[in-house]
Amino acid sequence: GEDVEQSLFLSVREGDSSVINCTYTDSSSTYLYWYKQEPGAGLQLLTYIFSNMDMKQDQRLTVLLNKKDKHLSLRIADTQTGDSAIYFCAERVNDYKLSFGAGTTVTVRA
Amino acid sequence: SQTIHQWPATLVQPVGSPLSLECTVEGTSNPNLYWYRQAAGRGLQLLFYSVGIGQISSEVPQNLSASRPQDRQFILSSKKLLLSDSGFYLCAWSESWGVDQPQHFGDGTRLSIL
Repeated sequence: GEDVEQSLFLSVREGDSSVINCTYTDSSSTYLYWYKQEPGAGLQLLTYIFSNMDMKQDQRLTVLLNKKDKHLSLRIADTQTGDSAIYFCAERVNDYKLSFGAGTTVTVRA
Repeated sequence: SQTIHQWPATLVQPVGSPLSLECTVEGTSNPNLYWYRQAAGRGLQLLFYSVGIGQISSEVPQNLSASRPQDRQFILSSKKLLLSDSGFYLCAWSESWGVDQPQHFGDGTRLSIL
């Protein structure tokens, strides 16, 4: 089956690290994605990881994948006010379909 | 570089009226194209995808239809809108030559049905 779950809200202080968690159910998923959505806008691809990798780092972003537990996380280092947005986790279900979580709203406070 | 355009950005329509949302992609050829709907506070639901001109696959039965009259043009339509069609509609594209290719989204259309 395909079911992606995320916590709905995260509040973080500016300069701290943010960690957004996601669990998925389809063990055959090949790729997992993180997207960012700012108010009123479309989704911006942040990063993605292939299922045979444990970790991927890209500047302030670190993705960790625990395939055994079907757990994916996104860590944002030195969180800034511009990081306030909704973050979506998605798993690739087949060649064309992504299954998305409901999104985590990240609020960065001064 | 590739770009994706959606219009209109916002639309207010009465129940029972027709709908046409358009999406075009530039800078690539033969992309895979997608229409998603995002309900308030929810994730994205895939409505249609297309792997080529005239080829449309529907993921969920509904009041909507899609067409791809040209390689980089994807249209979402309805003959008679329902209240439940309200939402945020997103078009996306991906390269067709590898399953590892991520999907890239447009800025969306906010559709309100009165």
